[in-house]
Amino acid sequence: GEDVEQSLFLSVREGDSSVINCTYTDSSSTYLYWYKQEPGAGLQLLTYIFSNMDMKQDQRLTVLLNKKDKHLSLRIADTQTGDSAIYFCAESQYSSASKIIFGSGTRLSIRP
Amino acid sequence: DVKVTQSSRYLVKRTGEKVFLECVQDMDHENMFWYRQDPGLGLRLIYFSYDVKMKEKGDIPEGYSVSREKKERFSLILESASTNQTSMYLCASSSPRGEGNQPQHFGDGTRLSIL
Repeated sequence: GEDVEQSLFLSVREGDSSVINCTYTDSSSTYLYWYKQEPGAGLQLLTYIFSNMDMKQDQRLTVLLNKKDKHLSLRIADTQTGDSAIYFCAESQYSSASKIIFGSGTRLSIRP
Repeated sequence: DVKVTQSSRYLVKRTGEKVFLECVQDMDHENMFWYRQDPGLGLRLIYFSYDVKMKEKGDIPEGYSVSREKKERFSLILESASTNQTSMYLCASSSPRGEGNQPQHFGDGTRLSIL
């Protein structure tokens, strides 16, 4: 079945780059998403990439997709304290009535 | 901007009570979803609906039901609340399949405690 996996924790120093990794199993994925969840809040869509792309950049965020290895990453440049959150990787499949499969989330903590 | 509104941020109920969680979206989206979120388990889909009066079971529907009488509103019902249903509940909505990218847009969540 479909599965999306992420490591649970990442700690980086303020000002460094953060790289959050994700692997997925379903080769029919159409869109891959990154969501951010701040404490006590819902999920906020950060960015997404279509499966025929290999890179997307949006200000401090860079998404890289390696379709052959089914590997997705989110790079946050110049990480700030406001970036502390849980980051969810997710995939959608065209065949599956708009459902999205989420990973378990990576908690990013920033050290001074 | 899409707005998904959940009626309560925090809710405390007792075991055996019937509990209603309400969700309203203002973007005329066909699809609506209910998830629960537990530490280390990510988001698990309870039910979703792709049209008024239509519903489909997600991965963990046991102990829950849903109602979609109007397009903008999707209700989650705990028929007889139990302590293992203490969780964060998230509602989401999206445009239908076939219109390209359909990210789901989320409400702020309802943290439900069953005592």
